Amino acid sequence: SQQGEEDPQALSIQEGENATMNCSYKTSINNLQWYRQNSGRGLVHLILIRSNEREKHSGRLRVTLDTSKKSSSLLITASRAADTASYFCATEQYGNKLVFGAGTILRVKS
Amino acid sequence: EAGVAQSPRYKIIEKRQSVAFWCNPISGHATLYWYQQILGQGPKLLIQFQNNGVVDDSQLPKDRFSAERLKGVDSTLKIQPAKLEDSAVYLCASSYGGLYGYTFGSGTRLTVV
Repeated sequence: SQQGEEDPQALSIQEGENATMNCSYKTSINNLQWYRQNSGRGLVHLILIRSNEREKHSGRLRVTLDTSKKSSSLLITASRAADTASYFCATEQYGNKLVFGAGTILRVKS
Repeated sequence: EAGVAQSPRYKIIEKRQSVAFWCNPISGHATLYWYQQILGQGPKLLIQFQNNGVVDDSQLPKDRFSAERLKGVDSTLKIQPAKLEDSAVYLCASSYGGLYGYTFGSGTRLTVV
């Protein structure tokens, strides 16, 4: 079974705009990770945030984590056409078990 | 470093046939995972190995799926017999553990007709 729910399911924006994706989960976690998947390809690890962290940045990515609400958000700033992909949040649970949500499809129009 | 290698890249079989997928993780990664990703869904964990031992196979349909990781390095996932609903991408991932994230292979796209 999948751990999280992502919102929205699909997002279409113009190049240069910011994209925000949200993720909610149900159980205790060690950390939360975000992955990108281009059509028909493997998953690429983007960023990891530990359960005791609240915010993390990596380049144009900003991730927040609220463990009291069991939710996370991924912000991509100044989006580019190359950011078009599916984005998944995944929670690492006890025993290094990584469980994925259903994903958000992002389309960046140029 | 070399990535996670998977083969074949694509496979088309008829229902009730058998199929096997191979994965070679990143050298030194003790933990290896097999995921099934049905079109339009997130990856679902099938089995997790720590070295050559199984940590979690609670979602592996054991009546038709089997997996092994001999010598704690590469791994094979087998389906016998295949059903139409097994059509999916099968992803292998490995992890060093801790806070380094997971590295995924390119996957094997299986079509059962």
